[in-house]
Amino acid sequence: NAGVMQNPRHLVRRRGQEARLRCSPMKGHSHVYWYRQLPEEGLKFMVYLQKENIIDESGMPKERFSAEFPKEGPSILRIQQVVRGDSAAYFCASSQGQRPEQYFGPGTRLTVT
Amino acid sequence: GENVEQHPSTLSVQEGDSAVIKCTYSDSASNYFPWYKQELGKRPQLIIDIRSNVGEKKDQRIAVTLNKTAKHFSLHITETQPEDSAVYFCAAASGGSYIPTFGRGTSLIVHP
Repeated sequence: NAGVMQNPRHLVRRRGQEARLRCSPMKGHSHVYWYRQLPEEGLKFMVYLQKENIIDESGMPKERFSAEFPKEGPSILRIQQVVRGDSAAYFCASSQGQRPEQYFGPGTRLTVT
Repeated sequence: GENVEQHPSTLSVQEGDSAVIKCTYSDSASNYFPWYKQELGKRPQLIIDIRSNVGEKKDQRIAVTLNKTAKHFSLHITETQPEDSAVYFCAAASGGSYIPTFGRGTSLIVHP
């Protein structure tokens, strides 16, 4: 039973480029959450999605960031025109229906040069 | 919104000792309190959780206590082992979306 999958594991982008991060939830899970983690800091909530719906995006920066969870395929977090301050580890987590337990993927470490 | 404070930020113990990490929360509506362990460069792993209708929960060497009146909850690890060394995060969430607010983490170091 595969856990939460994320790819790529490491991503290097130059300033101004776009970054696309992918997350496949655990089998049977229909809820996806994205978090950002800076070095030696906690996890900051960004967005909560269900299939084809954004439920809560209160943690997303208003510009350059977007997320989707299409009917088919993984959830995608997109960062346009990346800046150095976007460098961080981005984790997604999934949960099953209305159960609160969230299980995390291995993360994507984004480095902006 | 919810605010979660976690202490201490660093905890150093000898193997076999107990370790206690404490968290406080601000939103009385929070009713779900998970704890995550994150080893260096790895994903956060859910190690134990507690809901507001329970005061204590135990799983082998790990236990969590919750005081709803005082709005604080704690993680207790007994008979610590070097492999317990990691960063531990507490979180608080409320029903509905269960979006957790995390503490800043405690770096636990267990010396052999």
